[in-house]
Amino acid sequence: KAGVTQTPRYLIKTRGQQVTLSCSPISGHRSVSWYQQTPGQGLQFLFEYFSETQRNKGNFPGRFSGRQFSNSRSEMNVSTLELGDSALYLCASSPTTNTGELFFGEGSRLTVL
Amino acid sequence: EDKVVQSPLSLVVHEGDTVTLNCSYEVTNFRSLLWYKQEKKAPTFLFMLTSSGIEKKSGRLSSILDKKELFSILNITATQTGDSAIYLCQAGTALIFGKGTTLSVSS
Repeated sequence: KAGVTQTPRYLIKTRGQQVTLSCSPISGHRSVSWYQQTPGQGLQFLFEYFSETQRNKGNFPGRFSGRQFSNSRSEMNVSTLELGDSALYLCASSPTTNTGELFFGEGSRLTVL
Repeated sequence: EDKVVQSPLSLVVHEGDTVTLNCSYEVTNFRSLLWYKQEKKAPTFLFMLTSSGIEKKSGRLSSILDKKELFSILNITATQTGDSAIYLCQAGTALIFGKGTTLSVSS
């Protein structure tokens, strides 16, 4: 069974640009959540989608947005990039929402110059 | 505001030592507490705890939850260099993680 796939794995952008990251969950998983990881800050929750609906949102500015498609694939977008957006962005999937184990992808490493 | 606090934030031990990692939480609608290990990129699941006082074990790793005092511990006995990683604690449903404990095991 294929795991969670995130693309691209690495990308470099400049301030002011925007970026779109993609996440394909494990087949059959309908919940997808996104996290930003920076050194010393752990995993900070961005948002969670279930059946194409955003269920929860973390404390991030409106420049961070996401969506989920009918096949459960998800994308997140960051507009007007800032240097502080440089981070590892992790996506996780689970069969349903509010249940246990999360299955993580390898992440997308974003560097903003 | 929901929060999960892990301590210590970093730890350096020698092979063979026993370590205890701590996780305290304050979340609404608590259902479960989960531990993950992150070695390079993707965190991998270790334990899920839902009942107080019941220890979960997997080899040299074990974990227990105290729902009255709102904390959990993760024990690793006879540590090996392969245990070097970031250990993350998550309070379920809230999808809130602690900052993690970075464990370094030297040979």
